[in-house]
Amino acid sequence: AQSVTQLDSHVSVSEGTPVLLRCNYSSSYSPSLFWYVQHPNKGLQLLLKYTSAATLVKGINGFEAEFKKSETSFHLTKPSAHMSDAAEYFCVVSRRNSGNTPLVFGKGTRLSVIA
Amino acid sequence: DAMVIQNPRYQVTQFGKPVTLSCSQTLNHNVMYWYQQKSSQAPKLLFHYYDKDFNNEADTPDNFQSRRPNTSFCFLDIRSPGLGDAAMYLCATSRVHPTAANQPQHFGDGTRLSIL
Repeated sequence: AQSVTQLDSHVSVSEGTPVLLRCNYSSSYSPSLFWYVQHPNKGLQLLLKYTSAATLVKGINGFEAEFKKSETSFHLTKPSAHMSDAAEYFCVVSRRNSGNTPLVFGKGTRLSVIA
Repeated sequence: DAMVIQNPRYQVTQFGKPVTLSCSQTLNHNVMYWYQQKSSQAPKLLFHYYDKDFNNEADTPDNFQSRRPNTSFCFLDIRSPGLGDAAMYLCATSRVHPTAANQPQHFGDGTRLSIL
């Protein structure tokens, strides 16, 4: 079965410093992986996706993630945090590799940005 | 422009009183999903429609039902809400071809349901 583990439930950074949100996955096939962001009382917004093309994936708002098969990781990074980045972040894997796409969510990482 | 629209944003109902949440989409996606998200937790998939085919998750209570009268609309019915059903309910859509690589889901802003 496919699963993701977000290694930190809460990350706090200062504005202007780098962001690292860690995610490890488990999959019996080449996975499709996503990062979503959720601001308070809002739905989830797609940041970026990996679907077996380039291993370094660039997303919106300056975020990027690198797929590392040897480490089964898909960590999310950003060079410089902004106050507006404070939100909940979910690492997600697709349950299957084609067809219907039920998603398997990690438990989320809450990112706080300190001025 | 909002592409997945959920109404209302906030819904209050009484214990045991049926309630319906609605979702509409302008994306013409063939798959629509309903998730339940409780405070500080990840979204939990309740069920999804692939066109007209209904797919229920094994652990979704019978109290939860869904209808999809056409491509654009999907409804979540809670027949007898209990206090434990208070949550944010998220609707999502995706365009899927049976043999295509996975496509991302597009989420609405959710309906927050409170039970009195």
